[in-house]
Amino acid sequence: EPEVTQTPSHQVTQMGQEVILRCVPISNHLYFYWYRQILGQKVEFLVSFYNNEISEKSEIFDDQFSVERPDGSNFTLKIRSTKLEDSAMYFCASSGDFRGSTYGYTFGSGTRLTVV
Amino acid sequence: QKEVEQDPGPLSVPEGAIVSLNCTYSNSAFQYFMWYRQYSRKGPELLMYTYSSGNKEDGRFTAQVDKSSKYISLFIRDSQPSDSATYLCAMLNSGGSNYKLTFGKGTLLTVNP
Repeated sequence: EPEVTQTPSHQVTQMGQEVILRCVPISNHLYFYWYRQILGQKVEFLVSFYNNEISEKSEIFDDQFSVERPDGSNFTLKIRSTKLEDSAMYFCASSGDFRGSTYGYTFGSGTRLTVV
Repeated sequence: QKEVEQDPGPLSVPEGAIVSLNCTYSNSAFQYFMWYRQYSRKGPELLMYTYSSGNKEDGRFTAQVDKSSKYISLFIRDSQPSDSATYLCAMLNSGGSNYKLTFGKGTLLTVNP
């Protein structure tokens, strides 16, 4: 079964450092997303990406965050200057259409980001 | 009022029991409804996807949507210990914010052998 792959599985970084979280979405999917889940809280939407541009972003996704699809397979989330409150599980997801009706949204296993 | 409300549980049942999980929502624009299963420290895994009001069945799982009451349910028949996980409801707008899922907080289910 196709899957979304995320690396690394766990990243520890010092406050103020830049981090890049990487994702390989399902190959024939067109819509890409980042969500995050702070421990014990809801899964929250960060950003959606389609046709090489951001289609929607949440209020969480401020100027410290950016996304990129540098080639035909990778999708990255960059946090420029990490804060303690950025510590969370970050999930990448992809879907065949924006409603997710083809296969639903497929999520990766996540990157646990710990900011110290 | 929160957009999506879900009883966080925890819910503990014996093996073989029928499990009922529920979410309510306030946003009438939600038209697409999903249930995800999440094991500890893993990503959400799609279980059921529904669009219209009514029932949808897949093996031991039945998803039910009542748009008039803004209420969705997931039923698990003959529950197994392997069903022990957190179950998340998620919803999507039909217009406007087409691209983001809004999740409930999740219900932690334990099925005891």
